[in-house]
Amino acid sequence: EPEVTQTPSHQVTQMGQEVILRCVPISNHLYFYWYRQILGQKVEFLVSFYNNEISEKSEIFDDQFSVERPDGSNFTLKIRSTKLEDSAMYFCASSAEAGNEQYFGPGTRLTVT
Amino acid sequence: SQQGEEDPQALSIQEGENATMNCSYKTSINNLQWYRQNSGRGLVHLILIRSNEREKHSGRLRVTLDTSKKSSSLLITASRAADTASYFCATPPGGSNYKLTFGKGTLLTVNP
Repeated sequence: EPEVTQTPSHQVTQMGQEVILRCVPISNHLYFYWYRQILGQKVEFLVSFYNNEISEKSEIFDDQFSVERPDGSNFTLKIRSTKLEDSAMYFCASSAEAGNEQYFGPGTRLTVT
Repeated sequence: SQQGEEDPQALSIQEGENATMNCSYKTSINNLQWYRQNSGRGLVHLILIRSNEREKHSGRLRVTLDTSKKSSSLLITASRAADTASYFCATPPGGSNYKLTFGKGTLLTVNP
């Protein structure tokens, strides 16, 4: 069964450093998403991406964040200058169409020290 | 309450019993999705029900949707210890086709 994969599973970085989280969505899906879950809190939407552009973003997704689909399979989330409060589990998701089931990857646990 | 709030917050049952979790939301929706999350792990998609559907089944799962009450329920029948997890409903608020808003979830514990 096709699934969304994410790398790395755990990333530790120092405050102020740049990190890139990687995702491989399900191959025939066209819509891609990033969410995050701070420990003990709700899953929060960050951004959605379709046709090589952002289709919707939350207020969390400020200028420190960017997304890219560098090739036909990868989808990345970059945080330019990490802050302590960026520590969270980051989930990538994909769907075949807008308004359809969103399938989530296993997540990348980001720890900013 | 916010979009996609689950009730109860925690539920503890014995193996073989049924578990019912509820979700309420505030705005009109196109669909409602239920997810499961084992502790510290990823979100597993369980079922999607569209706004024009009232009930949907998948294996031991039964989901209902009442758009007049802005509520949904997830029933897990004949529960197993492996069903122990947090369960979330997620909705695209305000007609959005992209963003899903999650509740805090119901923590289900199935005791062997």
